[in-house]
Amino acid sequence: GAVVSQHPSRVICKSGTSVKIECRSLDFQATTMFWYRQFPKQSLMLMATSNEGSKATYEQGVEKDKFLINHASLTLSTLTVTSAHPEDSSFYICSAKTGSVEQYFGPGTRLTVT
Amino acid sequence: GQNIDQPTEMTATEGAIVQINCTYQTSGFNGLFWYQQHAGEAPTFLSYNVLDGLEEKGRFSSFLSRSKGYSYLLLKELQMKDSASYLCAVVDSNYQLIWGAGTKLIIKP
Repeated sequence: GAVVSQHPSRVICKSGTSVKIECRSLDFQATTMFWYRQFPKQSLMLMATSNEGSKATYEQGVEKDKFLINHASLTLSTLTVTSAHPEDSSFYICSAKTGSVEQYFGPGTRLTVT
Repeated sequence: GQNIDQPTEMTATEGAIVQINCTYQTSGFNGLFWYQQHAGEAPTFLSYNVLDGLEEKGRFSSFLSRSKGYSYLLLKELQMKDSASYLCAVVDSNYQLIWGAGTKLIIKP
């Protein structure tokens, strides 16, 4: 149990375009979902926390107008990188949790902006 | 501020034992996780400690001392597939995960 999926696993887009990444909890209802970004050889950096039906809480330094998060249901959250630039190229990982402490991670999405 | 410290990189030999340490200073404590992350993949859960002491799970064990703000992950009978980064993460008083930078473990034959 506790499986989280992400789609797509890899995406290449041109600079200036927008990219949407989906995160789904497949066999449980996620009250909270988290979006992380990880640059090569660095640790996970929390971007935002989202609860179903409410606005996401963004970490300091993360532009909420650039990284749009929608947590429309208890099993789906989406991250849209708007007007992507090469510096947005990174590994984006979502995680989800129910009432427990543990977070269940998705497999990640490798974004490359050319 | 909140801080998690772990060594950047460690090297060990196949078949041996290695201990990866993690020290933390956080606002509150609601448990400590260890995750394994292979390059290009998402983290996978290894252990969760909320009480002091040693938790053993197969070849992997995790220890916690809350009074010392200290944990370690012990890996026995090392295998080549154990080459990965090991991430220490503490749950703070707001139930947020505070992440360490990770320890890259290199296993040599």
